[in-house]
Amino acid sequence: DAKTTQPNSMESNEEEPVHLPCNHSTISGTDYIHWYRQLPSQGPEYVIHGLTSNVNNRMASLAIAEDRKSSTLILHRATLRDAAVYYCILRDRTSGTYKYIFGTGTRLKVLA
Amino acid sequence: DAGITQSPRHKVTETGTPVTLRCHQTENHRYMYWYRQDPGHGLRLIHYSYGVKDTDKGEVSDGYSVSRSKTEDFLLTLESATSSQTSVYFCAISSGSLNEKLFFGSGTQLSVL
Repeated sequence: DAKTTQPNSMESNEEEPVHLPCNHSTISGTDYIHWYRQLPSQGPEYVIHGLTSNVNNRMASLAIAEDRKSSTLILHRATLRDAAVYYCILRDRTSGTYKYIFGTGTRLKVLA
Repeated sequence: DAGITQSPRHKVTETGTPVTLRCHQTENHRYMYWYRQDPGHGLRLIHYSYGVKDTDKGEVSDGYSVSRSKTEDFLLTLESATSSQTSVYFCAISSGSLNEKLFFGSGTQLSVL
């Protein structure tokens, strides 16, 4: 199964940028890199995903290394509402079907 | 928001009883997934489906079975519930295309006493 590695926890001050790293050294050529977050007492929600180029949307930016073995989720100005667990995952394609294996993610704490 | 409904939202049951959780989607997505979430373990894949009557095991499938008789419904059954199956269960769906996203339901809190 394709694996990702993330720090267990990170802290940020409110209104400062946050860079959440993820390593995925076993990534294959057509795997998209996905990021989801889970707010307290809610189901996970989509944040962003990308293949090779850096991606931006209204929630965040995704910076992908040139060799694609790592990526960084960037929250440009963290707010208290961004406190959540952030998951970096790859879609696994073994056996010809698609599945998503989550790790334990990075718990982001935002300090007021 | 993607149309995913999980039922029931909460359930309390006794050890040894059968339990069925339902995931219903209105997006006509090909893939459906069942995850469980326990403190300190993140989300773990139980079973998933890649089409009607097509299912496969995930990371923690022992003690669970699934069925998908139509595109919109994916059922998770605990044949004989145990206390170790007390957890929050999430359903997710995806289209199966290369450039897809996962959408999650709101979860079912299951307590097995």
